[in-house]
Amino acid sequence: GQQLNQSPQSMFIQEGEDVSMNCTSSSIFNTWLWYKQDPGEGPVLLIALYKAGELTSNGRLTAQFGITRKDSFLNISASIPSDVGIYFCAGQLNAGGTSYGKLTFGQGTILTVHP
Amino acid sequence: KAGVTQTPRYLIKTRGQQVTLSCSPISGHRSVSWYQQTPGQGLQFLFEYFSETQRNKGNFPGRFSGRQFSNSRSEMNVSTLELGDSALYLCASSWSGGGDTQYFGPGTRLTVL
Repeated sequence: GQQLNQSPQSMFIQEGEDVSMNCTSSSIFNTWLWYKQDPGEGPVLLIALYKAGELTSNGRLTAQFGITRKDSFLNISASIPSDVGIYFCAGQLNAGGTSYGKLTFGQGTILTVHP
Repeated sequence: KAGVTQTPRYLIKTRGQQVTLSCSPISGHRSVSWYQQTPGQGLQFLFEYFSETQRNKGNFPGRFSGRQFSNSRSEMNVSTLELGDSALYLCASSWSGGGDTQYFGPGTRLTVL
C-alpha cells in the first residue's frame, strides 16, 4: 500500500542534541500527525497539524505542515534518553469516501539516544 | 477520560483458525479505524467504522472483516488464518473519522503458528 517517504530511517545521537526528521508525499493531505511508538505498544500522538504552513510546538517538539500540503517535519530539541523510540508521520485526506478514517503512514524513524 | 482499549493484548492461533479482536474507543468517539502493523509492510489501514457502518476499507482480502456496535465498540475478525497474518493489530478512535485526530490503543499481538 501507499506509504509516505519518511527520513531518516534511523538516527543515533548524543543526549542533548537536536533531532530533525521529515515526511514527503506525492499527494496532498489535509491533516498531518506525528506519533511515537514504543516496542509492543500503540502509537502515541505527539503533534497534530490541520492547516498548511502551520507550525506547532509541544514542549521540546516542533512540527510544521508544509505549504504544499505534501510534506511535514518534526524537530526534537535537547534530546533526552526517554526520547528513544520509533517516530511515525501520518497523513489524512479529508475528502470523504475512501479517505474516511484512513491514515497513511511513513516507514518510521528509529531514534537512539546515547546518554 | 479513559483511552482506547483493546482485548486481548496477545493471541496465539494456528493456521486455519479464526480470531476476533475487540476495541473500545474513547468515550464519545464514533469512528473506529483498524490497522495492521508488520515489520515488512509497516502500518496498513484495514477499515473504518462509523455509526455501525463500514465507510472505508483498505486493500486486504475478504478474510478480514469487522463490525461496530451501537456503543461504538468495534470488533475485527480474521478467518482462515495464515502465517502472514501474524502482526500487531491496532485500532484507533476519533470523533468523526473525517480528518480529526486518531488516538490509538495498545494493540493486539497476533501470532499464527
